[in-house]
Amino acid sequence: QQPVQSPQAVILREGEDAVINCSSSKALYSVHWYRQKHGEAPVFLMILLKGGEQKGHEKISASFNEKKQQSSLYLTASQLSYSGTYFCGTEIMTGANNLFFGTGTRLTVIP
Amino acid sequence: DSGVTQTPKHLITATGQRVTLRCSPRSGDLSVYWYQQSLDQGLQFLIQYYNGEERAKGNILERFSAQQFPDLHSELNLSSLELGDSALYFCASSVDEGAGSPLHFGNGTRLTVT
Repeated sequence: QQPVQSPQAVILREGEDAVINCSSSKALYSVHWYRQKHGEAPVFLMILLKGGEQKGHEKISASFNEKKQQSSLYLTASQLSYSGTYFCGTEIMTGANNLFFGTGTRLTVIP
Repeated sequence: DSGVTQTPKHLITATGQRVTLRCSPRSGDLSVYWYQQSLDQGLQFLIQYYNGEERAKGNILERFSAQQFPDLHSELNLSSLELGDSALYFCASSVDEGAGSPLHFGNGTRLTVT
């Protein structure tokens, strides 16, 4: 039930772009994206729902391919503040209420 | 500040002991989720409550139990503690019963079992 994230880690220079992927073997109702900085709590970035609805920050973009049960988070023109570990969480069907997270992608942005 | 309060922040105890972790959700949120995060690991889903009732179970051990009270705060009880239970335990709350709304995480309780 745990989604698979890739890559496990990525290093970027300021201004570069990155894509983080999340996939599931199960049919998904929703995909969540969170960022966790070291020693802190995860912070909500975006939710993508089956059917196309999205909830989240304007500066964050993501996609959800319902047929492939895959989601991608797009980070453009990266800033130092983007550094952290990004987690995707998936709910496999409506009403299941369980939200399983992937193992995370560690993003490091360097000057 | 997410509005979710977890106490205590740190807990050090010995193997075989029992501890209780407490979580107060954000005002207006009816759902509470519990997650375990071991060192540099992902977030392991333990259990979810909505308005006092258990709604979903994840990888929660039989030695662990939880409940959500009428005032919506939740407690996670960990018993017969083992060294491997050392971890950061997060509570998160959301408005809805399902996962269609954002989860707001507390700052966690760091449990160290010696």
